Amino acid sequence: DVKVTQSSRYLVKRTGEKVFLECVQDMDHENMFWYRQDPGLGLRLIYFSYDVNMKEKGDIPEGYSVSREKKERFSLILESASTNQTSMYLCASSFPENSNQPQHFGDGTRLSIL
Amino acid sequence: GDSVTQMEGPVTLSEEAFLTINCTYTATGYPSLFWYVQYPGEGLQLLLKATKADDKGSNKGFEATYRKETTSFHLEKGSVQVSDSAVYFCALRTPNFGNEKLTFGTGTRLTIIP
Repeated sequence: DVKVTQSSRYLVKRTGEKVFLECVQDMDHENMFWYRQDPGLGLRLIYFSYDVNMKEKGDIPEGYSVSREKKERFSLILESASTNQTSMYLCASSFPENSNQPQHFGDGTRLSIL
Repeated sequence: GDSVTQMEGPVTLSEEAFLTINCTYTATGYPSLFWYVQYPGEGLQLLLKATKADDKGSNKGFEATYRKETTSFHLEKGSVQVSDSAVYFCALRTPNFGNEKLTFGTGTRLTIIP
């Protein structure tokens, strides 16, 4: 089975802190994604990566950055956390061969910024 | 751009009732369509998918048919169970190498009462 592991289920940080959310997948997937999930808004794509050291902005990249130094690991970075970044963050991965391949999701990190 | 419109929730049904969750989409090209399910405290899991017009995806008693003429992918189940209580997301993916992101609907929370 595909396993996408997010390093923390719950995280509490303070405004202005630099926050790292880590995601690791064990299926040699080329594509990796970071979403945030908010009530009434569904999932919105923050950043994605289709190869090591490659990244593309999603729909809401402002206030975030990402790092993909190894194929299996994709990190989301909040440079200076703000209260409006309190949310559920979901990581996903997939193969890129064609658009029929589903994305596999981690269990999410619920981040609270105080 | 691509978009997915889902039936507003929450939806509450009695056990063994018939379920329909409506989903319509707007997309360029020929998207693949997906239903994902999120059980409490977990990430998203792929429930079913359809990759071309008139395809029917099915899994765990759920079905959805890709209707190009009405740009719809409604989710149905003939007899729901308490264990089906979850949030359901409709999503689409258009083939575009290097940019294979999913576009999600806002989600529909389903609660089944015994």
